Amino acid sequence: GAVVSQHPSWVICKSGTSVKIECRSLDFQATTMFWYRQFPKQSLMLMATSNEGSKATYEQGVEKDKFLINHASLTLSTLTVTSAHPEDSSFYICSARKVWGRDSDGYTFGSGTRLTVV
Amino acid sequence: KQEVTQIPAALSVPEGENLVLNCSFTDSAIYNLQWFRQDPGKGLTSLLLIQSSQREQTSGRLNASLDKSSGRSTLYIAASQPGDSATYLCAVGGSQGNLIFGKGTKLSVKP
Repeated sequence: GAVVSQHPSWVICKSGTSVKIECRSLDFQATTMFWYRQFPKQSLMLMATSNEGSKATYEQGVEKDKFLINHASLTLSTLTVTSAHPEDSSFYICSARKVWGRDSDGYTFGSGTRLTVV
Repeated sequence: KQEVTQIPAALSVPEGENLVLNCSFTDSAIYNLQWFRQDPGKGLTSLLLIQSSQREQTSGRLNASLDKSSGRSTLYIAASQPGDSATYLCAVGGSQGNLIFGKGTKLSVKP
């Protein structure tokens, strides 16, 4: 159990266009999803925390108007990169937190999206 | 601010060797610690999750330990295989559910 489906796995877009990335929890309900970004040879950096039915919480330095996050249901969260520029080219990956016991929880990650802006 | 450091950044070993990957963190007030595997261009695969109240977890040839007081965790891989070649990431979990990652250790196991 605990599968997160993320798509697209890769996308190439023109500068100035918008790209939407979707993450779905397939066999559990994810009240919270996390969006990360990873530049080459760098660690994953948290961009924002998405809670179902409420506004996302963005990390310092992440533009909320540029990276739109929607978490309209317990199984779907989307990240839209608006007016993409080459510097937005990166590996984006989502994660859902699943709690199955009083003392145990874990994080399931999507397979990631490689975004290239040309 | 929590910082996670992984040493070494890269490691190359011959097949069959036992090896240890190290992870250190600056703030001992963690909720849990998780080790992941990342293959090139792919997502993350969770390997082991250690709760803050636990000292270690084992899965097959993998064993992870946690020493909160010293801010350290190790991932032990026994009898390494070429299929173990990947980048191994350590991440500490905060009470809010977010994870803070190290930069990873790139492991190469030579046949």
